[in-house]
Amino acid sequence: QQPVQSPQAVILREGEDAVINCSSSKALYSVHWYRQKHGEAPVFLMILLKGGEQKGHDKISASFNEKKQQSSLYLTASQLSYSGTYFCGTSDWKDFGNEKLTFGTGTRLTIIP
Amino acid sequence: NAGVTQTPKFRVLKTGQSMTLLCAQDMNHEYMYWYRQDPGMGLRLIHYSVGEGTTAKGEVPDGYNVSRLKKQNFLLGLESAAPSQTSVYFCASRPRRDTTYEQYFGPGTRLTVT
Repeated sequence: QQPVQSPQAVILREGEDAVINCSSSKALYSVHWYRQKHGEAPVFLMILLKGGEQKGHDKISASFNEKKQQSSLYLTASQLSYSGTYFCGTSDWKDFGNEKLTFGTGTRLTIIP
Repeated sequence: NAGVTQTPKFRVLKTGQSMTLLCAQDMNHEYMYWYRQDPGMGLRLIHYSVGEGTTAKGEVPDGYNVSRLKKQNFLLGLESAAPSQTSVYFCASRPRRDTTYEQYFGPGTRLTVT
């Protein structure tokens, strides 16, 4: 089953903050975040592993709540370059061992000046 | 390095025709993946390979076949194309020994089946 992402779309002004959520019905071992700009390939942002630390670089960070089987991606002081569609990819322990990810349906983020 | 390349970039097929999509990577990666991307559906895994000569089914394997005869190439075949296979196809690869688990994606192939 695909993880569920929310919101499906969000429009922000430059400098505002955004939170994108990813929920799964399975017990998760890993959550991967990717960003895809229109007409381009997805690009890796970060991975969070069960029992691992919250990740982040610059103004983009993420958390992983193992008990709730959820992950959240935080974008602070958004920039125009943050526009795109964000996907979470998840795996349970078995899928992680098999190197498989199941991607969510995506969250389209639009940043306006 | 060219990274991950996909051939062709665009293709239009008639229902019932066959074709092969080629994915090539020059990073010596062990793992390779084929995804399809449809509006509102995100990325769905078709088939994947954890090494030369091995393949496995993903979420949506029906109507597709794959082969990994050489480590650097991963081929996706459509034996009898159907309109439901109209999609954008992405190939990805990643190395086995990598703590980031990052998948590197190719630029995609846009396939239309009429």
